[in-house]
Amino acid sequence: EAQVTQNPRYLITVTGKKLTVTCSQNMNHEYMSWYRQDPGLGLRQIYYSMNVEVTDKGDVPEGYKVSRKEKRNFPLILESPSPNQTSLYFCASRQTGTDTQYFGPGTRLTVL
Amino acid sequence: KQEVTQIPAALSVPEGENLVLNCSFTDSAIYNLQWFRQDPGKGLTSLLLIQSSQREQTSGRLNASLDKSSGRSTLYIAASQPGDSATYLCAVTTDSWGKLQFGAGTQVVVTP
Repeated sequence: EAQVTQNPRYLITVTGKKLTVTCSQNMNHEYMSWYRQDPGLGLRQIYYSMNVEVTDKGDVPEGYKVSRKEKRNFPLILESPSPNQTSLYFCASRQTGTDTQYFGPGTRLTVL
Repeated sequence: KQEVTQIPAALSVPEGENLVLNCSFTDSAIYNLQWFRQDPGKGLTSLLLIQSSQREQTSGRLNASLDKSSGRSTLYIAASQPGDSATYLCAVTTDSWGKLQFGAGTQVVVTP
């Protein structure tokens, strides 16, 4: 089954404790991206990747890092989480040249 | 900067009524417009995608129109059912890499 998976699905952590949210897709897509969703603001893009070793900032990249060492994986790293990073995070992937984007189930992160 | 607005933020209708959801965007230079459905605890599901050169798309009970010059799209859901209860998100694609700019969504409740 074609899908985008994220782990963990739920996470409660404390300020300053480094964490990684994993994202993996099994469709051999080149393009992957991360969004965060906050009430009243919709989804906003954090980072995106056009292919292995090629990444760029989205609209709200502050406080986040990403890497793309393998085509299927695109982890989101919070090196020193803060309460304002409490949000619902979505990973998405897309085959270059097509319009359909596939979204993961989301990761709900709470930073205390 | 592209801004996407969805009105109303919430909507409740009795089963059988037609649903009309509105989306507006400030910059007409878009690649396409998509409507997504979001269910609690699940990711986003793409419902309809309208290319910038198209005026409408239909899928079953769903019909979406696009008026690029006025920056508006409308999603019609005919003969609503309780299973249509969800949050509906509108998003425009703003670059060739597929970056999506989302509205904040309309939460729909269809009562039996």
